[in-house]
Amino acid sequence: AQSVTQLDSQVPVFEEAPVELRCNYSSSVSVYLFWYVQYPNQGLQLLLKYLSGSTLVESINGFEAEFNKSQTSFHLRKPSVHISDTAEYFCAVSDNNNNDMRFGAGTRLTVKP
Amino acid sequence: KAGVTQTPRYLIKTRGQQVTLSCSPISGHRSVSWYQQTPGQGLQFLFEYFSETQRNKGNFPGRFSGRQFSNSRSEMNVSTLELGDSALYLCASSLWGQGAYEQYFGPGTRLTVT
Repeated sequence: AQSVTQLDSQVPVFEEAPVELRCNYSSSVSVYLFWYVQYPNQGLQLLLKYLSGSTLVESINGFEAEFNKSQTSFHLRKPSVHISDTAEYFCAVSDNNNNDMRFGAGTRLTVKP
Repeated sequence: KAGVTQTPRYLIKTRGQQVTLSCSPISGHRSVSWYQQTPGQGLQFLFEYFSETQRNKGNFPGRFSGRQFSNSRSEMNVSTLELGDSALYLCASSLWGQGAYEQYFGPGTRLTVT
């Protein structure tokens, strides 16, 4: 079965600084990769996803993630963060074999003024 | 379209009681998945229902059960509640299931067991 490791449980950064949230996965088959964001007292929302094709995927609010098959990684980046980006971010992996999405433990991003 | 709705939003129960949580998926979605979220264990998959059948199950004891109705609405039940069952229970719906399909999450039901 596939699994996900998010290497940082908390990432504090200052406003307008760049940020990278790290995600590594393990799977024996082809995977689909997702980043979800959870704001306080809310459910998860999809930020971006990789299914196939271009390894660089982008979200509408400036985040991007790159699928790296050789390093089994799917790190999330943003060149300049805002206070409103403060939230918990979850990396997830699934495949068509198990029909079972696995989530990482989450990374709490805190953007400070 | 209306989003995924979960009722109730908050619940306080006593150890030993049972509880039923409800989830209404987005119209047209046939798959409903349930997750338990706790600070210590993160997001853990409970089970997934598709067309009224349990298609996949996580590693939880038999006290956790669920069902799905013909209109795709789903309920999950926890019997003989334990203090460790205190958590945010999230429901997610998707068109055909997990795999490549995006899951849409509800706001969750926060269960507190005292």
